[in-house]
Amino acid sequence: DIQMTQFPFALSASVGDRVTITCRASQSIASFLNWYQQKPGQAPKVLIYVASNLQSGVPSRFSGSGSGTDYTLTISSLQPEDVGTYFCQQSYNTPRTFGQGTRVEIK
Amino acid sequence: QVQLQESGPGLVKPSETLSLTCTVSGGSVSSDTDYWTWIRQPPGKGLEWIGYLYDSGRTNYNPSLKSRLAMSLDTSKNQFSLNLTSATAADTAVYYCARAKPMLGHLDSWGQGKLVTVSS
Repeated sequence: DIQMTQFPFALSASVGDRVTITCRASQSIASFLNWYQQKPGQAPKVLIYVASNLQSGVPSRFSGSGSGTDYTLTISSLQPEDVGTYFCQQSYNTPRTFGQGTRVEIK
Repeated sequence: QVQLQESGPGLVKPSETLSLTCTVSGGSVSSDTDYWTWIRQPPGKGLEWIGYLYDSGRTNYNPSLKSRLAMSLDTSKNQFSLNLTSATAADTAVYYCARAKPMLGHLDSWGQGKLVTVSS
């Protein structure tokens, strides 16, 4: 199985800050990397697919980049509604695997 | 806009079978352009991919669960189902059904989730 490692585990930032979350795969996943946001008590929601494609309806302050084994999710200007946990997921092969999650809070 | 809704018992006894159904609306489980997926999340923990159904009933299971797992489609009801035998406390989780896109693999529609507790 491909292991997905996310960091940081948690972060606290101010409204308007630029926030970056990193995901590293145990082998190359050829950009088959997706990012999800999960708010408390809700199902996850896809934000970015295949490393850098913004899902329809997702605010443009979210962006993704990366290749090979290393990927990043960036929130250009953190908003109060962005509080939640963010997960990366590889869809390069099966079993699909997820990162352990990054909890984002407002300072 | 496809919508998914999980249903089934919220409490299962140890050693019994955990069974859930996902009802799909706004899409068809017979579609050959969608992978119908189960994912679970133990309380306070991360996400685990269980497996998916595709191509009108073919399956791809997580090897860690494969020996206890069965998934199936009911095209007449536009539903798909999960059966996990010999349940233990470690199977306690919120179970989500979701749709995945075959070529790209991302999960673009999710159910709200169903908490299943395995306890006597």
